[in-house]
Amino acid sequence: DSGVTQTPKHLITATGQRVTLRCSPRSGDLSVYWYQQSLDQGLQFLIQYYNGEERAKGNILERFSAQQFPDLHSELNLSSLELGDSALYFCASSVEQSLGNEQFFGPGTRLTVL
Amino acid sequence: GENVEQHPSTLSVQEGDSAVIKCTYSDSASNYFPWYKQELGKRPQLIIDIRSNVGEKKDQRIAVTLNKTAKHFSLHITETQPEDSAVYFCAAVSGGYQKVTFGTGTKLQVIP
Repeated sequence: DSGVTQTPKHLITATGQRVTLRCSPRSGDLSVYWYQQSLDQGLQFLIQYYNGEERAKGNILERFSAQQFPDLHSELNLSSLELGDSALYFCASSVEQSLGNEQFFGPGTRLTVL
Repeated sequence: GENVEQHPSTLSVQEGDSAVIKCTYSDSASNYFPWYKQELGKRPQLIIDIRSNVGEKKDQRIAVTLNKTAKHFSLHITETQPEDSAVYFCAAVSGGYQKVTFGTGTKLQVIP
């Protein structure tokens, strides 16, 4: 157990819908990262937050957005869902924002878009 | 942006043999290179990492080498065991804010 929690574990929804994935980082970690893992695209970095502020952006679609709240939990919002958004979404956390801090991954949320 | 290529995509070795996975990166600004192991249905876990000011790092049966000039780095697993079977991802991290680019993964199968 990494100490990072993600809810829900599974999510099944329809195309065009909107969902929110939630992540609670390890106690004391200020940085949160979101990743998408699909079969054909591998592991893709989406976005990073540090202490409530966006720090780095990866291959995140405009239909997706995220935020980190004052209590440091983070939410990833996915809207106008398409079949191709079906994937495993991981959240990870680390103590600091700087280079080389180990990221601890949560168990993931499996999103299925029908 | 950064592009990381990882080879091979699948690798089968006999128990006790060595396994080598290679990655190349494109952005010379990348300066931190972690390796993750992901078992089926589980989360990725960091197994070893290397910074750009170091050429080699070892941790028991696992070692990583980095050639900055050629922009490639490799994972070496010696005396492989069945529990080493998993998907391994390399990654390149650039910038102070840890923008991470992953390789496409290598599925390692250790045959008992």
